[in-house]
Amino acid sequence: DVKVTQSSRYLVKRTGEKVFLECVQDMDHENMFWYRQDPGLGLRLIYFSYDVKMKEKGDIPEGYSVSREKKERFSLILESASTNQTSMYLCASSLSTVGTSGIYYEQYFGPGTRLTVT
Amino acid sequence: ILNVEQSPQSLHVQEGDSTNFTCSFPSSNFYALHWYRWETAKSPEALFVMTLNGDEKKKGRISATLNTKEGYSYLYIKGSQPEDSATYLCASLADRGSTLGRLYFGRGTQLTVWP
Repeated sequence: DVKVTQSSRYLVKRTGEKVFLECVQDMDHENMFWYRQDPGLGLRLIYFSYDVKMKEKGDIPEGYSVSREKKERFSLILESASTNQTSMYLCASSLSTVGTSGIYYEQYFGPGTRLTVT
Repeated sequence: ILNVEQSPQSLHVQEGDSTNFTCSFPSSNFYALHWYRWETAKSPEALFVMTLNGDEKKKGRISATLNTKEGYSYLYIKGSQPEDSATYLCASLADRGSTLGRLYFGRGTQLTVWP
């Protein structure tokens, strides 16, 4: 089974702190993603990466940066945490798979990190 | 950005009721449609991936259909059980160049099944 792990389930940080959220996948997947989930807004993509040292901005990259030095690890960095970054953060990875009717990119999600910034 | 819409936003049903919800997506440049189930305190889990117009998928009491020409998919749950309570997400797969593999998610339908 694919396993995606995140460094913390719950995290409380103070405004202005630098915050690192770590994500590790154990299935050699090419693509990795960081989302945040807020009530009524669904999953919003922050950043994604399709290869080591490669990254692309998602829909809401402001206030965040990412790092992918190794294929299995994708880190989300909040340079200076603010209260509006209080949210659930989900990491996911995916691999292209050729199926009977096309190419699939099923995403596998980690358990999430609930971050509170006070 | 692909605009993926889901309705209704939430649904409350009694145990044993059958229910369905809708996912709408842009029909142009369609590549694939994913359904996920997200239970509270767990990770979202894939239910179905559908790529062809007219596709129908089934897993136990849950089934899904796909209409790529008009840009919608239905998810059906027959005889809902309390353990079906979850948020159901649909996502459309982008087909452009370097963004291949990126999913555009709807806001989800939150289903609550009362015993």
